[in-house]
Amino acid sequence: QKEVEQDPGPLSVPEGAIVSLNCTYSNSAFQYFMWYRQYSRKGPELLMYTYSSGNKEDGRFTAQVDKSSKYISLFIRDSQPSDSATYLCAGGSGGYNKLIFGAGTRLAVHP
Amino acid sequence: GAVVSQHPSRVICKSGTSVKIECRSLDFQATTMFWYRQFPKQSLMLMATSNEGSKATYEQGVEKDKFLINHASLTLSTLTVTSAHPEDSSFYICSARETGNTDTQYFGPGTRLTVL
Repeated sequence: QKEVEQDPGPLSVPEGAIVSLNCTYSNSAFQYFMWYRQYSRKGPELLMYTYSSGNKEDGRFTAQVDKSSKYISLFIRDSQPSDSATYLCAGGSGGYNKLIFGAGTRLAVHP
Repeated sequence: GAVVSQHPSRVICKSGTSVKIECRSLDFQATTMFWYRQFPKQSLMLMATSNEGSKATYEQGVEKDKFLINHASLTLSTLTVTSAHPEDSSFYICSARETGNTDTQYFGPGTRLTVL
């Protein structure tokens, strides 16, 4: 079992839709979680960082963490074609010197 | 802030040659940098963790003699692919973690290596 599981997609939605991207993890030691966005042939860009269970909002993006069920989500409101990218979730802990990434979900927002 | 650069962005080399890729943190100091490899439509594969002033820690299955890492300063880490072969062709991405910040990694734009 991978430490971080993520459906690779692709996920195709119409412009304006609410997008839900999800990951599950197995390592109870994870203390913080991140979402990165990666456009084709580019490096990942940090979108959201969350440390505790609950929601964190930044513009059209909301990150949600449920440590009891080891489930993390990223919601994108009013999705735009420019949101088309691969979204990577990752978990980490103070005891780890590295982030553990999911496989990434490819999202396509069509006009 | 938190900008990481990589050079070169793209390199094509002949089989058997060595290629050096630089990773720089431009506006912060990074005690720790990470090197990843990514194949098309696949996720990031961590190759090694680079700590300033000490030897890199390689992930299982990564040949340390083939992928030489040097982290000589708080803003620069280099990855040298020695005696490159076509199977080494890939997208190499570095990330940097700011000194004193144990969590967030900032990624560079990546280097596309093609070995002929």
